[in-house]
Amino acid sequence: AQSVTQLDSHVSVSEGTPVLLRCNYSSSYSPSLFWYVQHPNKGLQLLLKYTSAATLVKGINGFEAEFKKSETSFHLTKPSAHMSDAAEYFCVVSSFSGTYKYIFGTGTRLKVLA
Amino acid sequence: EAEVAQSPRYKITEKSQAVAFWCDPISGHATLYWYRQILGQGPELLVQFQDESVVDDSQLPKDRFSAERLKGVDSTLKIQPAELGDSAMYLCASSFQPVGGRKEAFFGQGTRLTVV
Repeated sequence: AQSVTQLDSHVSVSEGTPVLLRCNYSSSYSPSLFWYVQHPNKGLQLLLKYTSAATLVKGINGFEAEFKKSETSFHLTKPSAHMSDAAEYFCVVSSFSGTYKYIFGTGTRLKVLA
Repeated sequence: EAEVAQSPRYKITEKSQAVAFWCDPISGHATLYWYRQILGQGPELLVQFQDESVVDDSQLPKDRFSAERLKGVDSTLKIQPAELGDSAMYLCASSFQPVGGRKEAFFGQGTRLTVV
């Protein structure tokens, strides 16, 4: 069965400093992995996705993530945090059993300090 | 840009009343998902449709929840009767999955339900 573990429920960074949100996955086959962002009382917006092409994936708003099969990780990074990055971030693995399902991690709340 | 439409955005209802949510997926997306997100947690799948057919409703509390997608386009999720524990964000998503494809899901803005 597929699953994802987000290692930090809360992360605080100062504006202008790097962001690292950690995600480990479990999958019985080559997975598709996604990062979504959710601002308060909003739906989920796709930041980036890995679907077996390049292992370093670039997304919107300066975010990127690296797929590391040996470590079963898909950590999200950004070189310099902006106040507008404060939100909830979800790591998602896609599971196939006849149709595709999306399995969510528990989320990481990012706080950006001025 | 095409979006998943949901209504209403917010709903307050008394317990034991009926409530319904509507979702219109992106045109051409055969797969439609309803998720429930309790405050502070990640979304959990309630029901998944492929066209008009339910392919997974294993986590849907069928004694009070029902979902339909009669023409394989828009969908309605109903709760009757609502309970206090149903207070949550209800998210609809759709995706297009060609053979061998690994596409992302697109989410609507959600319906925030408060049961009082």
